[in-house]
Amino acid sequence: AQSVTQPDIHITVSEGASLELRCNYSYGATPYLFWYVQSPGQGLQLLLKYFSGDTLVQGIKGFEAEFKRSQSSFNLRKPSVHWSDAAEYFCAVGATGSSNTGKLIFGQGTTLQVKP
Amino acid sequence: DTGVSQDPRHKITKRGQNVTFRCDPISEHNRLYWYRQTLGQGPEFLTYFQNEAQLEKSRLLSDRFSAERPKGSFSTLEIQRTEQGDSAMYLCASSSGQPGETQYFGPGTRLLVL
Repeated sequence: AQSVTQPDIHITVSEGASLELRCNYSYGATPYLFWYVQSPGQGLQLLLKYFSGDTLVQGIKGFEAEFKRSQSSFNLRKPSVHWSDAAEYFCAVGATGSSNTGKLIFGQGTTLQVKP
Repeated sequence: DTGVSQDPRHKITKRGQNVTFRCDPISEHNRLYWYRQTLGQGPEFLTYFQNEAQLEKSRLLSDRFSAERPKGSFSTLEIQRTEQGDSAMYLCASSSGQPGETQYFGPGTRLLVL
């Protein structure tokens, strides 16, 4: 069965510091992979996605993520965090293949706190 | 593109009452999804529509839950005889149905069952 694990429930970083949020997935083939961000009271906004090609993908707001098949990981990174990045971050996997419904399986999320 | 909208944004109800939520997807999107998100958890898939056809339902969707998308545009999610365990954020998303598609999420309806 598909599953997503985000090992870090809560992370605190100082403004200007680098950030890495971890995501591991379980899926029988190469899945579609997504990172979404959710601010308080807001819906989910897509940061970036991977479904083929270059394993290093660039997203909005200066985020990037790298797909590592050998490690079943899709970690999110940002070189310099801004206070406005404080939010909850979700990694998700989507099924591939002709019969896929496109439904997403989400991890439990990582809450990012940014210290001034 | 006005985005996905959901109504109401908040709903407080008493246990045993029925509630109905509405989702308006992005107009050209033929796929529509409902998810449920409880506090401290990621969203969990509930059900999926391709146009007006409901093609998949999660085991989370008990008999008290029903969803419709009558004309392949907006969708409704009804919960009958609400229970306190139904308290959650109900999220709607839509997509174009292409490979590697992006699901665009609405702001959600937060339900509190007293």
